[in-house]
Amino acid sequence: GAVVSQHPSRVICKSGTSVKIECRSLDFQATTMFWYRQFPKKSLMLMATSNEGSKATYEQGVEKDKFLINHASLTLSTLTVTSAHPEDSSFYICSARESGGGADTQYFGPGTRLTVL
Amino acid sequence: GQNIDQPTEMTATEGAIVQINCTYQTSGFNGLFWYQQHAGEAPTFLSYNVLDGLEEKGRFSSFLSRSKGYSYLLLKELQMKDSASYLCAVVDSNYQLIWGAGTKLIIKP
Repeated sequence: GAVVSQHPSRVICKSGTSVKIECRSLDFQATTMFWYRQFPKKSLMLMATSNEGSKATYEQGVEKDKFLINHASLTLSTLTVTSAHPEDSSFYICSARESGGGADTQYFGPGTRLTVL
Repeated sequence: GQNIDQPTEMTATEGAIVQINCTYQTSGFNGLFWYQQHAGEAPTFLSYNVLDGLEEKGRFSSFLSRSKGYSYLLLKELQMKDSASYLCAVVDSNYQLIWGAGTKLIIKP
């Protein structure tokens, strides 16, 4: 089946630093990737939709200047958390929609656990 | 390798009961999630099991057997709005999420 990877799997950083998280589709091309944030035992909160070669579409309440998303190729999207603060500590999960796939053809990554000290 | 298996698609009748199974082989186990996802929307949390047994929450129940690497989601009194994909995800020993491919549930009147 389709595989989505994320790197790093876990990151601890100091407050005020920036952290970049990569999301890759390993065996398929993804024109659309999604970035989610998960709070403990809660639903995934969609942060933004990333389309290859264009600007990301952010959900209401998500600061686009704080969560920078780049979708430079059909297999890679990056999320950069700028000037991270402890309240940004969370589990960030990406998913990728296979090119030509339907709305429900999403493959999820294993997540990146961010801890901001 | 790590693996989560669930049926690709299931069909059920409005008002009936359906059970969606999920079997897993992972490096370690720190809990299992069930999510519901309607087309074009973000997944919504249904349940989290970390201990063996059945947890009931309204029309939805989730069961876990860690020794068998098995879970199921039971949906009762099915409604048309229950038509969606149901995702099983296991938290492994590194606290990474291992996702199943999802089960598309089709409800017929």
